[in-house]
Amino acid sequence: AQKITQTQPGMFVQEKEAVTLDCTYDTSDPSYGLFWYKQPSSGEMIFLIYQGSYDQQNATEGRYSLNFQKARKSANLVISASQLGDSAMYFCAMIFTYSGTSYGKLTFGQGTILTVHP
Amino acid sequence: SQTIHQWPATLVQPVGSPLSLECTVEGTSNPNLYWYRQAAGRGLQLLFYSVGIGQISSEVPQNLSASRPQDRQFILSSKKLLLSDSGFYLCAWSVGGVGANVLTFGAGSRLTVL
Repeated sequence: AQKITQTQPGMFVQEKEAVTLDCTYDTSDPSYGLFWYKQPSSGEMIFLIYQGSYDQQNATEGRYSLNFQKARKSANLVISASQLGDSAMYFCAMIFTYSGTSYGKLTFGQGTILTVHP
Repeated sequence: SQTIHQWPATLVQPVGSPLSLECTVEGTSNPNLYWYRQAAGRGLQLLFYSVGIGQISSEVPQNLSASRPQDRQFILSSKKLLLSDSGFYLCAWSVGGVGANVLTFGAGSRLTVL
């Protein structure tokens, strides 16, 4: 069974600095996808970035980049130039793409609360 | 563009009362639909998903049920709520079929069972 682990319950960063949020996963399936979502205090889930297991390059979306290390089964999120509005809960999530029954079902980690200090 | 609506936003219900949370999607057809629950300070747990009208798959046995009476409507129900049903419920949709498609979430419904 798939498992997502986020070992940092909380992280602090100074405004304008970069921060890395850790995510490791466990799977024997060769085909999968990894997502990061942001959840502000309002509760909505906002999609940030996606990495496929066969993608050769690390995904990037603006200030967000995904440090994908397949052999180590890690998919860390890097936020560059942190802003006060980045303060939120961040979730790593995984989907299997090999199985015909995956149907887009995501498995989520427990989340990391990021606090950006001015 | 596609939008997802979820209501009510907040709900306080006594133990043993029924529940109905509704979710609708606009701007797409034949989406995959999902209900997730988030306990306080924790990750999301998939409750139900649906790949078509009347097709519901349950991930976690519980006293909740889901229905999809129309292509873009997904309803979460309970006949008798338990205290443990309290939480934040999120509806989501993705492009239909198999694959690593991005899930787009609704704004959520916060349920408190007293």
